[in-house]
Amino acid sequence: DTAVSQTPKYLVTQMGNDKSIKCEQNLGHDTMYWYKQDSKKFLKIMFSYNNKELIINETVPNRFSPKSPDKAHLNLHINSLELGDSAVYFCASSHERRTEAFFGQGTRLTVV
Amino acid sequence: RKEVEQDPGPFNVPEGATVAFNCTYSNSASQSFFWYRQDCRKEPKLLMSVYSSGNEDGRFTAQLNRASQYISLLIRDSKLSDSATYLCVVNINTNAGKSTFGDGTTLTVKP
Repeated sequence: DTAVSQTPKYLVTQMGNDKSIKCEQNLGHDTMYWYKQDSKKFLKIMFSYNNKELIINETVPNRFSPKSPDKAHLNLHINSLELGDSAVYFCASSHERRTEAFFGQGTRLTVV
Repeated sequence: RKEVEQDPGPFNVPEGATVAFNCTYSNSASQSFFWYRQDCRKEPKLLMSVYSSGNEDGRFTAQLNRASQYISLLIRDSKLSDSATYLCVVNINTNAGKSTFGDGTTLTVKP
């Protein structure tokens, strides 16, 4: 019944590895987002997709590649993980681009 | 200047107190406004939308001042359970429709 679900909830990995985080929403929304929340708790948008089309890419290193196979899914793949990538990554979705967003529970990524 | 700025906090108040948070935004084309609440180690959750005429939901009142480009959140009769970080969110009216979050204000309500 979870509206926006992302997996895994926790991810611990070594520097240099490649990892993916998956996100699915069952709300019928057409816009999905990835946000990063760093250790200082600042929440910054990374990507936004509308109907599978990339709308926003906020100066994120190209090691980060989002993929949206359909409107209900937006996955995040990260290549060559670095220590500075450690953060909580939130997936979110909204009905339209200007309405409120619903967030997943977050993926706590720790790069060691 | 940040696109969305909030009171830095933290706010430490006793139970029953009234507390107000302010948030200013820089882009006059901003169209929609929200307050979110984030508990420790949890995801942000919508607290309330902010309408031009101001709106109230129980102990919470949100107001928007477009001329001065700020929004506010007033919490009356604070409860211990109100302790959280409150995030101001502004949606800009562009094709991108990006939500910009403020850095949050931390509220601690003490017995």
